[in-house]
Parts: sequence; C-alpha cells; structure tokens
Amino acid sequence: GAGVSQSPRYKVAKRGQDVALRCDPISGHVSLFWYQQALGQGPEFLTYFQNEAQLDKSGLPSDRFFAERPEGSVSTLKIQRTQQEDSAVYLCASSLSSGNYEQYFGPGTRLTVT
Amino acid sequence: AQSVTQPDIHITVSEGASLELRCNYSYGATPYLFWYVQSPGQGLQLLLKYFSGDTLVQGIKGFEAEFKRSQSSFNLRKPSVHWSDAAEYFCAVGARTGRRALTFGSGTRLQVQP
Repeated sequence: GAGVSQSPRYKVAKRGQDVALRCDPISGHVSLFWYQQALGQGPEFLTYFQNEAQLDKSGLPSDRFFAERPEGSVSTLKIQRTQQEDSAVYLCASSLSSGNYEQYFGPGTRLTVT
Repeated sequence: AQSVTQPDIHITVSEGASLELRCNYSYGATPYLFWYVQSPGQGLQLLLKYFSGDTLVQGIKGFEAEFKRSQSSFNLRKPSVHWSDAAEYFCAVGARTGRRALTFGSGTRLQVQP
C-alpha cells in the first residue's frame, strides 16, 4: 500500500514568508508525528497527534510553528515569518495506533530559507 | 533527559566485510530501541526494533542488533556489507509509557568501498 507522502518535496522561501508543509499519513494510522532534521543531524521531535488531537507540542521551537490535523488524517505544519534557522528537512511519520511504536516516515520536505 | 549517542560519525568498510555501528543511550528505564536507515533524499526506513525478550534481534536486509542492558547499548551489525548498504544509520529510543516521540542519535554515515 501507499506509504507516508509529503508535499512539497522542496520549498524555497524568502525570510519572513509563511510556508505550509503537508503530510498524508498511511491510511488508517491514528498517530502522526512531525520531526525537524537539520543538516548532518538526527531528526528532532516537533509535535504529535492522535487522530485530530494534538497531544504533544513540546518540540515546537517557537510560536511561529503551528501544526494541525483537523480531520484526523492529513496534517499541515505551518511556519510563519520564516527565519534562516528554520532551514531543515521536515519529516512526517505515522503509526497505526497510540500503542504501536513503529513509526513510518515520509520522504520529507526540504525547506531552504534565503 | 534521554539521549542517544552514536560515537562514529563516519565509517568506511570494504564490500563483503563485517560491520558494527555503535549506539549508547541514556535513559531512566529500558526504552524501546530502534535502528533506522536513511538513503540520500529518502525518508527513514525501519531496520529493526527491540521491545522485550530475546536481546538479539533480527531485521531486514540482513541486519541484526544486540541489546546489552549493562552497557546501555544497542549496536547494529551485519556480517557482510553490500555496496547498497551505503547510507546514514540512526539509532533511536522511545519511552515505554507516556511520551510517544522518538529520540534519535546524530547518525553514522556508512561508506562502502568496492
């Protein structure tokens, strides 16, 4: 079946612009995660949804970052007033249920802020 | 706070040689343990996981890992490396209760020489 998909794959934004990154999880997966991966680093947790509820947003680096999953399926990560330090790959992952710890990752969106 | 250490940033092995990638974690209790592989421009693919039971776990692509509680380690091994194994490898830990986010190490880049 289809895996996790993300769009766009690449995004270039001028500093100060708003961006929206989309994640389509595996169909039927309850849990959805966003991670940020800086160049040469491992992914770092941003936020977690169980269905439409955002249960953990402790990793969001500032109030410029906002995520939603209004119908418990597709999720959007929005970054307002982008800064150069926001340049990274944004990875989305989903897992079957809240009790299932296997996370399946999408290909990521590479964001470059100029 | 939990942390994951992958002491080797870059490893080069010859094709056909054996491989061991190191992973140490710092955690209050035994976490769930994972190894992921990331090829250039790709998302992370789960190689194997340890939840409980036998401390030697088998994964995909001929990889295995051994959990050693006394050393807080979860090293990844492969008896004979193939050129297609060249990629970045990430060790990750997850809490058994509560927080669902994974904590990743900074990765080990594997280069395979012909």
